[in-house]
Amino acid sequence: AQKVTQAQTEISVVEKEDVTLDCVYETRDTTYYLFWYKQPPSGELVFLIRRNSFDEQNEISGRYSWNFQKSTSSFNFTITASQVVDSAVYFCALTNSGGYQKVTFGTGTKLQVIP
Amino acid sequence: SQTIHQWPATLVQPVGSPLSLECTVEGTSNPNLYWYRQAAGRGLQLLFYSVGIGQISSEVPQNLSASRPQDRQFILSSKKLLLSDSGFYLCAWSPGQGADTQYFGPGTRLTVL
Repeated sequence: AQKVTQAQTEISVVEKEDVTLDCVYETRDTTYYLFWYKQPPSGELVFLIRRNSFDEQNEISGRYSWNFQKSTSSFNFTITASQVVDSAVYFCALTNSGGYQKVTFGTGTKLQVIP
Repeated sequence: SQTIHQWPATLVQPVGSPLSLECTVEGTSNPNLYWYRQAAGRGLQLLFYSVGIGQISSEVPQNLSASRPQDRQFILSSKKLLLSDSGFYLCAWSPGQGADTQYFGPGTRLTVL
């Protein structure tokens, strides 16, 4: 069975601070995919990143960066110099490489950036 | 480019009334389609998925049903709503090949009174 754990339920930071959102996953598959989604107050889930299990390179996109470590089964997400617009619920997710993919979502981390 | 639409955006319905939520995808063919529910302050629960017209799989037994009458149309229905059906309903699509990313619609907020 697959499992995604986001232990941080809510985080508050002051604008311009850096913040890291943790994600730990469990899977028996050797090939799998990890995702991060952002859910702003409007409700729509916005896709941020997808990473496959064979690519452990860290990725940076503007103020966002992701640290994938298979040794610790973690896929953490860092926002540098946070802004109020970053306030949202962030979901980490996991799926296997099957034809139909059932995505297992974490319970989400609510990030509040205080101006 | 692909877009996904859901309507209505919000809905308030009395207990025992029927429900029909619609989701359509534009700009792609043969997508996998999904219905999720998100209860207030909680994570996402997969309700149904479909890999083709008329092909529906249910993840959890419940008061809801789904149909896919056309390739890019996915409908969530109920004959009689329960209070516990309240929540935020999200439709998603994926290209249907391998472990592709799921892309979500804007959602429908349903309140059952």
